[in-house]
Amino acid sequence: NAGVMQNPRHLVRRRGQEARLRCSPVKGHSHVYWYRQLPEEGLKFMVYLQKENIIDESGMPKERFSAEFPKEGPSILRIQQVVRGDSAAYFCASSPEGGDTEAFFGQGTRLTVV
Amino acid sequence: GENVEQHPSTLSVQEGDSAVIKCTYSDSASNYFPWYKQELGKGPQLIIDIRSNVGEKKDQRIAVTLNKTAKHFSLHITETQPEDSAVYFCAASGGSARQLTFGSGTQLTVLP
Repeated sequence: NAGVMQNPRHLVRRRGQEARLRCSPVKGHSHVYWYRQLPEEGLKFMVYLQKENIIDESGMPKERFSAEFPKEGPSILRIQQVVRGDSAAYFCASSPEGGDTEAFFGQGTRLTVV
Repeated sequence: GENVEQHPSTLSVQEGDSAVIKCTYSDSASNYFPWYKQELGKGPQLIIDIRSNVGEKKDQRIAVTLNKTAKHFSLHITETQPEDSAVYFCAASGGSARQLTFGSGTQLTVLP
């Protein structure tokens, strides 16, 4: 989908470093979701944001993880002090305003912690 | 919260045969049920979806059925082709939750 852009596509971090994952939604979409996919597993919801607001972060680990979707610029998923268990593919999705919950996904960022 | 179960986890079919993947969900308030196809190294691609006011929806070789009473929905792919080989995920959302809850995925292999 040419709309949802994620970068970087691949990210390697050493244990203890910070990882920053970026997501630009489809133009005009105001809802952004982050999901995590461990190898050989399905996608797990992490956080749901609208511009400048976190709507639901029930899937986000309580420590080291944070997300934002500022008024200007992409949504950022930030992981501090990464550990090997954080290695996964992180996907961003966006959906339009209104009751339609059709969501389009980006190509993901594959984080490897060494 | 919502729980979605998906079966089978792997499915192999001969080219030209049909493939069926089934999902069940737990939250009766869910009202939106999409299916995604994920190829290796790529993001999930929406292939078809159905809303709770409809029992069946078809798009060329792909169809989805929904039974709200039993809380299950299924993906049907007819005349399968090798390019249909991928991992397929079902999902559900609705009620108080806008985000998607995914099934665990089905690895479909179409044998030439």
